[in-house]
Amino acid sequence: GQNIDQPTEMTATEGAIVQINCTYQTSGFNGLFWYQQHAGEAPTFLSYNVLDGLEEKGRFSSFLSRSKGYSYLLLKELQMKDSASYLCAVGDSWGKFQFGAGTQVVVTP
Amino acid sequence: EAGVAQSPRYKIIEKRQSVAFWCNPISGHATLYWYQQILGQGPKLLIQFQNNGVVDDSQLPKDRFSAERLKGVDSTLKIQPAKLEDSAVYLCASRKGLAGVSTSYEQYFGPGTRLTVT
Repeated sequence: GQNIDQPTEMTATEGAIVQINCTYQTSGFNGLFWYQQHAGEAPTFLSYNVLDGLEEKGRFSSFLSRSKGYSYLLLKELQMKDSASYLCAVGDSWGKFQFGAGTQVVVTP
Repeated sequence: EAGVAQSPRYKIIEKRQSVAFWCNPISGHATLYWYQQILGQGPKLLIQFQNNGVVDDSQLPKDRFSAERLKGVDSTLKIQPAKLEDSAVYLCASRKGLAGVSTSYEQYFGPGTRLTVT
């Protein structure tokens, strides 16, 4: 099975940077996914890491260290619309995802 | 490209009643998932299909939950009888890749069905 931990809530001001950490313990790892979920809406895909290192996509970047069982999602130049829950998910070789509980990011003016 | 469709969007039932949810995945996506998301938690996988076969249903409470994907396209999830603790959002997701063959594809989620059991 998998155990996935991420902080419950983070608060940051508009224009700032926030880093959401995710640690996992897994019996079968085949990719780390980040999703964004606005209240009352479905999760939407943000990023995917399968190799160690940093993946950059505009204002969002994601990092993975497989040896440490660690990933982070970096949100730069925060905007009010970035207020949402961010879900870390570990995929296995069968395409099955185990999700963390999510980190609620609150962006303040 | 049309996204994952689900219906109904909202459902309120009394405990011990039955309810069914419907999902139509993205065209061409072989893998379909049903998740249960309780408020404040991440989605929890209930069942994974590949075409019309079950890949994983280890977390499906089989005494009351059932799911099928008879023609390998759309799927239904049923709860009978419902309990108060079944109140949650039921999310359907689909994925292009085949289980065990290709794993680099993300899952696409439908809007979900919010179930309230009173």
